[in-house]
Amino acid sequence: KAGVTQTPRYLIKTRGQQVTLSCSPISGHRSVSWYQQTPGQGLQFLFEYFSETQRNKGNFPGRFSGRQFSNSRSEMNVSTLELGDSALYLCASSKGVGLEHNEQFFGPGTRLTVL
Amino acid sequence: AQKVTQAQTEISVVEKEDVTLDCVYETRDTTYYLFWYKQPPSGELVFLIRRNSFDEQNEISGRYSWNFQKSTSSFNFTITASQVVDSAVYFCALSVNTGTASKLTFGTGTRLQVTL
Repeated sequence: KAGVTQTPRYLIKTRGQQVTLSCSPISGHRSVSWYQQTPGQGLQFLFEYFSETQRNKGNFPGRFSGRQFSNSRSEMNVSTLELGDSALYLCASSKGVGLEHNEQFFGPGTRLTVL
Repeated sequence: AQKVTQAQTEISVVEKEDVTLDCVYETRDTTYYLFWYKQPPSGELVFLIRRNSFDEQNEISGRYSWNFQKSTSSFNFTITASQVVDSAVYFCALSVNTGTASKLTFGTGTRLQVTL
């Protein structure tokens, strides 16, 4: 069974640009969550999607957005990039929402560097 | 609000030593789940264990064991006879009942270095 896949794995952008990251969950999993990992702030929750609806959102500015498609694949977008957005962006999938389905499996991440 | 504290920033051991990684959590919820993840240098978070708040039984899986104590709000992880391949950053995480969401609150991680 294939795991969570994320594309691209590495990305270099300049300040002010926008970026779109993609995540394909494990087959059969319908919930996708996104996390940002930085040396200073650690692992922080961005948002979670289930059935094409955002179910939960972390404390990030509106420049961070996402969406989920009918096949459960998800994308996240960051507009007007800032240097501080440089991070490892991790996607996690789980079967559903709620505690009983909260076993989350993570992808390899997309390392974004903003110059 | 939820909080997870991993006070040990970095631990270095020699192969075959036992090592315990500490995790202390804070939540007012009575229903919650605790997790441990391993992050090797490749960056991917590898799921190790999930434990719910109603199950305080200790768990053993090979060289790994977990000790969950609600009285001290701790969920410690022990690696017995450590190996070089255990070198990684280990994260403890907490998830509470929000009805429709599965947000994980992570600790800051403990970097384990196992040397020969």
